[in-house]
Amino acid sequence: GENVEQHPSTLSVQEGDSAVIKCTYSDSASNYFPWYKQELGKRPQLIIDIRSNVGEKKDQRIAVTLNKTAKHFSLHITETQPEDSAVYFCAASRARDFNKFYFGSGTKLNVKP
Amino acid sequence: SQTIHQWPATLVQPVGSPLSLECTVEGTSNPNLYWYRQAAGRGLQLLFYSIGIDQISSEVPQNLSASRPQDRQFILSSKKLLLSDSGFYLCAWSWTGANTEAFFGQGTRLTVV
Repeated sequence: GENVEQHPSTLSVQEGDSAVIKCTYSDSASNYFPWYKQELGKRPQLIIDIRSNVGEKKDQRIAVTLNKTAKHFSLHITETQPEDSAVYFCAASRARDFNKFYFGSGTKLNVKP
Repeated sequence: SQTIHQWPATLVQPVGSPLSLECTVEGTSNPNLYWYRQAAGRGLQLLFYSIGIDQISSEVPQNLSASRPQDRQFILSSKKLLLSDSGFYLCAWSWTGANTEAFFGQGTRLTVV
């Protein structure tokens, strides 16, 4: 089955700096890569996603890049704000596999004011 | 619009007692349904998924079972809880098409004592 690894497990940045979280996946058949943000005690919520036919996607301060050859994808947050503090999860799923997601272990991002 | 309800929000149960967590989805029909577990400080692990009534697949061997008696109802059960069953349980749904996001319920924090 799919194995998704995520680094770092914790990340502390100063407000205004950029944050980068990296994930690798093992199954070359994976073709959909969402990123979820989970605030303490709350449900994970999708913040951005990318499909395998695209190398990069951007939404305001958030961007995701995908390298299919190397089987890794990254989340980039620019101009971080204290409200960006949360746990971020990457995930991967395959086509025709019932949208089953395999998640990374999470990155706890702390943005210091 | 679609909504997902999961209850209870918190639960403390003794070892050896039964478990029943319920999840319902409104505003859509024939969704894919999922149960995930999140251990403390860990990522989300897929436990079960369902593509239709009485169609349940298990991802990992465990002390739990799942049922889908109605199209938009998904139940997670155990006959006898173990200490290791403690965690944060999340129900989720997705459209049946490929490569679509999962929408999570609010989660149930289960503590087995």
